[in-house]
Formats: sequence, structure tokens, C-alpha cells
Amino acid sequence: DVKVTQSSRYLVKRTGEKVFLECVQDMDHENMFWYRQDPGLGLRLIYFSYDVKMKEKGDIPEGYSVSREKKERFSLILESASTNQTSMYLCASSLSTGATHEQYFGPGTRLTVT
Amino acid sequence: KQEVTQIPAALSVPEGENLVLNCSFTDSAIYNLQWFRQDPGKGLTSLLLIQSSQREQTSGRLNASLDKSSGRSTLYIAASQPGDSATYLCAPNPNAGGTSYGKLTFGQGTILTVHP
Repeated sequence: DVKVTQSSRYLVKRTGEKVFLECVQDMDHENMFWYRQDPGLGLRLIYFSYDVKMKEKGDIPEGYSVSREKKERFSLILESASTNQTSMYLCASSLSTGATHEQYFGPGTRLTVT
Repeated sequence: KQEVTQIPAALSVPEGENLVLNCSFTDSAIYNLQWFRQDPGKGLTSLLLIQSSQREQTSGRLNASLDKSSGRSTLYIAASQPGDSATYLCAPNPNAGGTSYGKLTFGQGTILTVHP
């Protein structure tokens, strides 16, 4: 079974702190994704990576950056956390070459910025 | 830009009923479509993936259909159980080539409650 893990289930940070959210997948997937999920707004794509060191902006990249130094790990970085970044963050991965691109999700990180 | 609508927004049914969840999307140029389940406070679990060339896909009590030309998909749940209570999300996968693969657009979901 595909397994996607996220470093924390719950996280509380202060405004202005630098925050790292880590995601690891164990199925050698090329594609990895970061979403945020908010009531009434649904899931929105923040950033996407299709290979090591490659990244592409999603729909709402402002205030975020990402890092993909190894194929299995994709990090989301909040350079200076703000209260409007309080949200549920979900990581996903998918196989790219000759496949269905079925996405598999991690358990989510509930981030609260105070 | 792809827009996805799910109807109804919420559904409450007694155990044992058969039910249909609807998903419509504006851009029919899709590669496939995934249906997910999400329990409160948890991540998404992939239920079914239906390719653009398929009409139906089945897994246990779940059956998903796809009418790509009209931009519609339905998820049919047979003999519903309280354990089916969750939010159900659909997400078409675009067919724009290259790195657009996998950039899903999600509907708002249907919140399903199955009571004993």
C-alpha cells in the first residue's frame, strides 16, 4: 500500500515564526502536492513538484515556499506565519510515468497560528 | 478554469438506503476522475478512479459512472451503513499534458450521514 506521512498531526505556531511542514511518501512517486483545506473554500493547491528540485505554483502560492531535495520528501515552508495561514494542510503524491496519476493523501496537519 | 460542483451539499439517510452523489465539471477535457472519502479531521482516502475512456468503475458497494461529454459523474452507494458517514469529494484530473497531470480540482463535497 502507498503510504504518505506528514510530520505532525497538530501544530501551534506564533505569528512571524518560520514553519516547516514535512511530507514523505514511500512509493517512489514522481509527483507530490501540497493543499490547504478551509471550510467553505474546499481544497486548494498551494504547490506541486513533478521531480526532485522541480516545483510549480498552484492556485494559492503566496506566503509559501517548497523544497524537494529528495524524491520521497516534499517540504512546505511558511517563511513568516500569519493568522490567515491557520488551516488544515494536506500532502499527496502520485505516480507519473505510464500511470493513472491516482493521488494518495497523507493524514493532514492542522496548523494553528496565534 | 475547471469548476466542480457537487450536489447535494449534505445528505442524511437511514441505514440500508441506496443513494447517489452527483458531481459536475465545466471542462470535459479530463484524463480521469477520482472520488475520495474524508472523515472529520482526517486526510482523503481514494475510493475509485475512473478513466476518461471508461463509463463505470466498481468497488464493493460503490459504483462510479462518468459521462465525460456532459461533464458529469455519479457515485452510487448501495445498502448504506453508518460507517459510510463521511464527506465525499470528486476531483477531475486535467488532460492538458506535461506537468498538468495530477493537478486536481476539487468540489466542495457532499456530507453524508447514515443513521441507524
